[in-house]
Amino acid sequence: DIQMTQSPSSVSASVGDRVTITCRASQGISSWLAWYQQTPGKAPKLLIYAASSLQSGVPSRFSGGGSGTDFTLTISSLQPEDFATYYCQQANSFPPAFGGGTKVEIK
Amino acid sequence: QLQLQESGPGLVKPSETLSLTCTVSGGSISSSNHYWGWIRQPPGKGLEWIGNIYYSGSTYYNPSLKSRVTISVDTSKNQFSLKLSSVTAADTAVYYCARQGRTIILPKAAPRWFDPWGQGTLVTVSS
Repeated sequence: DIQMTQSPSSVSASVGDRVTITCRASQGISSWLAWYQQTPGKAPKLLIYAASSLQSGVPSRFSGGGSGTDFTLTISSLQPEDFATYYCQQANSFPPAFGGGTKVEIK
Repeated sequence: QLQLQESGPGLVKPSETLSLTCTVSGGSISSSNHYWGWIRQPPGKGLEWIGNIYYSGSTYYNPSLKSRVTISVDTSKNQFSLKLSSVTAADTAVYYCARQGRTIILPKAAPRWFDPWGQGTLVTVSS
């Protein structure tokens, strides 16, 4: 089974900062990776699919990159509503696995 | 716009069976391009995939839960259901249902990303 490892587990940042989160797969998954945002008490929301495609309605300050085993999620200019937990998910094969999450906190 | 809604008891006793249903509205569960899945999240922890079902009834389960999980589908009601047997306190979690993309890459089909999700329902295992 493919394991997903995210880093860091948490990051403190200020409004306007650029934030980058990393996700590593235990084996190559091409570009079959998704990113989700979860705010407290809410269901996860799909942000990016196929590693770099922005889901409809998601602000352009979010971007994804990478392929193979190493992937990134970047928020170019952090906004107040972006303070949340972010998860990656491998979308290459069963079982679909999630990373452990990265909590973006206010500095 | 497709919507999913979980329903079922919020409290289950240890050793009993957890049963939840997900009702799909705004679209058909009989889609060849999608799986229908269950994901859970223990309080304060990350996301864990439980299993998926295709409208034909084919199922895929997390190996760590496979011996206790049954997922079924009722296309006439546009619903799919989860049963988790022999529950313990470790099964206390918010349970989400979600639609998952499906891509045919011969000779198999591959699971993609989850969208949309239901709002989630908290199930507590306690006597």
